[in-house]
Amino acid sequence: AQSVSQHNHHVILSEAASLELGCNYSYGGTVNLFWYVQYPGQHLQLLLKYFSGDPLVKGIKGFEAEFIKSKFSFNLRKPSVQWSDTAEYFCAVNARGNNRLAFGKGNQVVVIP
Amino acid sequence: DAGVIQSPRHEVTEMGQEVTLRCKPISGHDYLFWYRQTMMRGLELLIYFNNNVPIDDSGMPEDRFSAKMPNASFSTLKIQPSEPRDSAVYFCASGASGGGRTDTQYFGPGTRLTVL
Repeated sequence: AQSVSQHNHHVILSEAASLELGCNYSYGGTVNLFWYVQYPGQHLQLLLKYFSGDPLVKGIKGFEAEFIKSKFSFNLRKPSVQWSDTAEYFCAVNARGNNRLAFGKGNQVVVIP
Repeated sequence: DAGVIQSPRHEVTEMGQEVTLRCKPISGHDYLFWYRQTMMRGLELLIYFNNNVPIDDSGMPEDRFSAKMPNASFSTLKIQPSEPRDSAVYFCASGASGGGRTDTQYFGPGTRLTVL
């Protein structure tokens, strides 16, 4: 079964700083990759996803992620964060053709105004 | 679209009581998933349905947990009897099939369960 690792569970940064969250998965086959965001008191929302094609994926709110197959990674980036980006971010993976979605433990990001 | 609807949003109960969580998926979606979120274990898939049929329940922790989907617009997750270690946020998600599988899952707001 696939597993997902997210490091640096708690991230604190100032507005306008750049953000990068790491995501590594363990599965040797073809995968679908997702980043979900959970704002305080709200449900999980899809930020972006990768199925195939260009490994650099652009999502909502200025976020992007890059799939590096050789590194089994799908890191999330945003060049300049805002206070409203304070949230928990989850990386998720499912093997192509399998409906089971495996989530990482999440990154709690706090942006200080 | 109203999105995935879950009820109740909060539930506080005493150990030993039966708890029933409810979910209404997005209309037209044929996959439904139940997840549990805790600090210790993160987000775990409990069970999922396709066309109202349970496909994979390997994540259901034990016999105290059961899930049903009597029709395409309603599902329940029941815990009987409940225990304090069941305290968690329970999410329901739905998705539409494509090629026999679903890609993107859309999550509900969750039910925060506290068992005293």
